[in-house]
Amino acid sequence: KAGVTQTPRYLIKTRGQQVTLSCSPISGHRSVSWYQQTPGQGLQFLFEYFSETQRNKGNFPGRFSGRQFSNSRSEMNVSTLELGDSALYLCASSLVGGDRDRYEQYFGPGTRLTVT
Amino acid sequence: GENVEQHPSTLSVQEGDSAVIKCTYSDSASNYFPWYKQELGKRPQLIIDIRSNVGEKKDQRIAVTLNKTAKHFSLHITETQPEDSAVYFCAATQNSNSGYALNFGKGTSLLVTP
Repeated sequence: KAGVTQTPRYLIKTRGQQVTLSCSPISGHRSVSWYQQTPGQGLQFLFEYFSETQRNKGNFPGRFSGRQFSNSRSEMNVSTLELGDSALYLCASSLVGGDRDRYEQYFGPGTRLTVT
Repeated sequence: GENVEQHPSTLSVQEGDSAVIKCTYSDSASNYFPWYKQELGKRPQLIIDIRSNVGEKKDQRIAVTLNKTAKHFSLHITETQPEDSAVYFCAATQNSNSGYALNFGKGTSLLVTP
């Protein structure tokens, strides 16, 4: 079974631009979560989607948004990019997000975003 | 929100020794505690996890213990090998009525020297 995939793997943008990142979960996984990883802050939760609905959101500004499609693929968007948005963006999928007994999350390789 | 503290931030051990990483959490509603290993330039890999109804879990050289009363959990690696060198992250669930998130510790950089 193929793992979680993310595209693109690397991205360079300039301040003020916007960016869209894509995540394809493991087949059959319906919950997708997004995380931002930076050397200073570690792994920080952005949001979680299940059945095309955002169920949980971390403490990030409204410039960070996302969505999930009917096939469980997810995208996240960052508008008006700032230098501090440079980070590795990771998505993770889990089998049945609505089942409290199945929490295991499996990460994709990440998208390395550099804002100049 | 949930706060997860992880210690130490760096750990250096000799091959064959044991390594212990400790985490504490603040939300008493947390009920799932995974550990991830991240090698340089790679994605975090789930290596072991524990649920709140269990006090200890072991998988070969790796074990995790959970003390719900004290709100802390630990990762134990025995007979360490150079390939165990990586950054290890602990996490705890932050549950809401409609979903959940993982709150991560800041990570422990483990170096195993031959």
